[in-house]
Parts: sequence; structure tokens; C-alpha cells
Amino acid sequence: GAVVSQHPSWVICKSGTSVKIECRSLDFQATTMFWYRQFPKQSLMLMATSNEGSKATYEQGVEKDKFLINHASLTLSTLTVTSAHPEDSSFYICSARGTQGSPYEQYFGPGTRLTVT
Amino acid sequence: SQQGEEDPQALSIQEGENATMNCSYKTSINNLQWYRQNSGRGLVHLILIRSNEREKHSGRLRVTLDTSKKSSSLLITASRAADTASYFCATGTSGSRLTFGEGTQLTVNP
Repeated sequence: GAVVSQHPSWVICKSGTSVKIECRSLDFQATTMFWYRQFPKQSLMLMATSNEGSKATYEQGVEKDKFLINHASLTLSTLTVTSAHPEDSSFYICSARGTQGSPYEQYFGPGTRLTVT
Repeated sequence: SQQGEEDPQALSIQEGENATMNCSYKTSINNLQWYRQNSGRGLVHLILIRSNEREKHSGRLRVTLDTSKKSSSLLITASRAADTASYFCATGTSGSRLTFGEGTQLTVNP
């Protein structure tokens, strides 16, 4: 149980285009989803926290107009990287927290590798 | 910002040996968690220890927490080549937000 999927697993796009990444909780309802970014050989940096049906809360320094987050249902959150640039190339990982089990535990997706050329 | 610092940054051992990784943090926490990440993959939750606990075991894993020193350690006993991965500590506060440490790259040589 507690499986989180991400789609796509990797994507290459041209500079200036937008890319949408999906995060789904497959067997539980995710009241809260988190989006992280990870550069090579570095740690995870929290970008934003989203609660179903409300606006996402962005971390300091993360542009909300560039990284659009939608959490429209209890099983799906999307991250759209708008007008992507090469510096946005990174590994994006989502996690989800449900209503059951430990309130402190997050279940992580497998990540999406974004390369902007 | 990342509040966790882990050491060592990299650790290379032989199969069968024990591996110890340390994590230090700066602010008060509600819980501390350890995760494993294989190269280019997502995170796997290993163990969670609450701020009122001092030690926890799970299989070959042993985690300690010293809130007075704001530090934690992860011990992997009888390591295997399959344990090769990056290990991250993450501190949690009351709002379930996690702050990750810099990670330790563990290499277990067969």
C-alpha cells in the first residue's frame, strides 16, 4: 500500500516551453502533497506544499508563477514548469501524505527527470 | 533551507561490515526520519523516530536520537552490496513538513 506514481519518469523539452508533471496516489487519498527538486548529488529541496482544494504554499525563493501547482483531487497533483529554461533541468520528486497511518510519514514518488535544452 | 547536516558525505565499506551515518540538525523537531535513495530513483522510507524516543530498530537498521545534542545516527549492520545508495535524514515539525539533510553516499563493496 501507499504507492505514489509520477508521470512522466523523464522528459526533454525545449527552452521556453511548458512541462506538466503528474503525481498520483494510487491506493490512498492524499490530503497533502509535496513537491521537491533535487540537483545532481544534492539533497531534496522542498518547493511547495499543496492541500487538496486550496492554493499551494511555496517555499521562499520558489516562483509560484513559474512552478504552477494544482491539487484538484485527493489522488492527483500536478506541477507545471512554465517557460522552462536549462537551469530548470533537475529531478522533481513528489510525496504524499494521507489520512491514515502516521501523520508524519510521506510516501515518495519515483521522480521525474526534466532536461531543458 | 536545509537544516540537516550529515557525515560522512561518502562512506565506502566492505560487505559484512557495519555502516554508521550521522545527522545533525539545528531547530526543535517533532520527529526524525531516515530515507534511502538509489541513484536516479525516488526515496524509500526506512524508519521514523519521534522526539521522545531515543532508539529504534528495524531489521538491520538501528537509529538513535539525541535531542540534547540535536543529532541522530543510522547504523546498518552486516551490510550488503544492495545497501549501496544515498541515505538522507529528514527532520519533521508539527506541520508534517520535512527538511532533508545533505545525505551520505554509501558504497558497499562485494
